[in-house]
Amino acid sequence: DIQLTQSPSFLSAFVGDRVTITCRASQGISSYLAWYQQKPGKAPKVLIYAASALKSGVPSRFSGSTSGTEFTLTISSLHPEDFATYYCQQLNSYPRTFGQGTKVEIK
Amino acid sequence: QVQLQESGPGLVKPSQTLSLTCAVSGASLSRPGYYWSWIRQHPGKGLEWIGGIYHSGTTYYSSSLKSRVNISLDTSKSQFSLKLTSVTAADTAVYFCAREVMAGDSSQFDYWGQGTLVSVSS
Repeated sequence: DIQLTQSPSFLSAFVGDRVTITCRASQGISSYLAWYQQKPGKAPKVLIYAASALKSGVPSRFSGSTSGTEFTLTISSLHPEDFATYYCQQLNSYPRTFGQGTKVEIK
Repeated sequence: QVQLQESGPGLVKPSQTLSLTCAVSGASLSRPGYYWSWIRQHPGKGLEWIGGIYHSGTTYYSSSLKSRVNISLDTSKSQFSLKLTSVTAADTAVYFCAREVMAGDSSQFDYWGQGTLVSVSS
């Protein structure tokens, strides 16, 4: 199984901060990586797919990038509604796997 | 508009079988290019992919759950189902169904159900 290691697990930030979350895959997954945002009591919502493609309707402050087996989600300027938990997911092979999540809280 | 809705018992006794159904509207389960999955989330924890099924009936399962999981498709009813046998308290979780769309060289889970909490307790 492909393991995804997200870091950090938790981060505290101010509104307006630039935030970066990293996801490292245990083996090559090409660009088959998606990022999701989940708020309490809700289903996850896709933000980025194919490592760097912005889902239609998602604000442009969200972006994704990749370098080898390391993937990054960046929020350029944190908005109040961005405080949530973020997950990466690999869709290169079965079984599909998720990172353990990064909780973004207000400082 | 695509909608997914989970249904099933909210309480299951230990050693019994957990059975859930995901009703799909606005999309055809028999159309290629889509993969229908179950995901769960233990209270306060992360997302765990359980398994999924293609329109052809081909299934893939989580390595840790595959001995206890069965996912099936009923295109006539536009629904797919999850059965998890021999449950324990460790199977208490919110269960989500979701659609994976595969287009070219990308995939994503683009539509999700709202999730349903299943508790395992006597």
